[in-house]
Amino acid sequence: DQQVKQNSPSLSVQEGRISILNCDYTNSMFDYFLWYKKYPAEGPTFLISISSIKDKNEDGRFTVFLNKSAKHLSLHIVPSQPGDSAVYFCAAINFGNEKLTFGTGTRLTIIP
Amino acid sequence: DVKVTQSSRYLVKRTGEKVFLECVQDMDHENMFWYRQDPGLGLRLIYFSYDVKMKEKGDIPEGYSVSREKKERFSLILESASTNQTSMYLCASSPGPTGGGQPQHFGDGTRLSIL
Repeated sequence: DQQVKQNSPSLSVQEGRISILNCDYTNSMFDYFLWYKKYPAEGPTFLISISSIKDKNEDGRFTVFLNKSAKHLSLHIVPSQPGDSAVYFCAAINFGNEKLTFGTGTRLTIIP
Repeated sequence: DVKVTQSSRYLVKRTGEKVFLECVQDMDHENMFWYRQDPGLGLRLIYFSYDVKMKEKGDIPEGYSVSREKKERFSLILESASTNQTSMYLCASSPGPTGGGQPQHFGDGTRLSIL
């Protein structure tokens, strides 16, 4: 039972345009969400997070939006750069619990 | 910068062998984790530890055990390796509760093949 879903296995975006990666979850107990980025042959790197008390968090080119009623979050990357080509995982957890639940990942390719 | 070091990048073992995967972190983090990553399944939690000698089962603990004798070191043990344990294994650590805003930091992984 996949509680965190990333329905797009891959996404290609032109350099300089906006990349939008989507994530849906089914467990309404989740109250903290994270995005990780993974290059081949490296471990995932933490990118950005958002608490359920917010609907938006921004860090430079990266913005995460949370729609609790739809149980949906998205990561926006503006402008996209070639170095953004990687696999992106969203993850969710509820406070007081150490079990992160990951999505299956979306491979983002930025086309020069 | 947080450094999580996994002892091997690649490992090949035979069915039935006892396999040890080692992980060391240098930031005095309380929590340590072991995940496996498989295509189409994302990362799945095997075990985690929130203190020395303490351990908790994750989502897929069957066939695995762990050991945390020192704060900086967390070992994953495959008691009797099987081919379905061929996977990428990732270790992570965090200074405090992930759900409290303390992201987990990952090592570069060990690609384990069981023949």
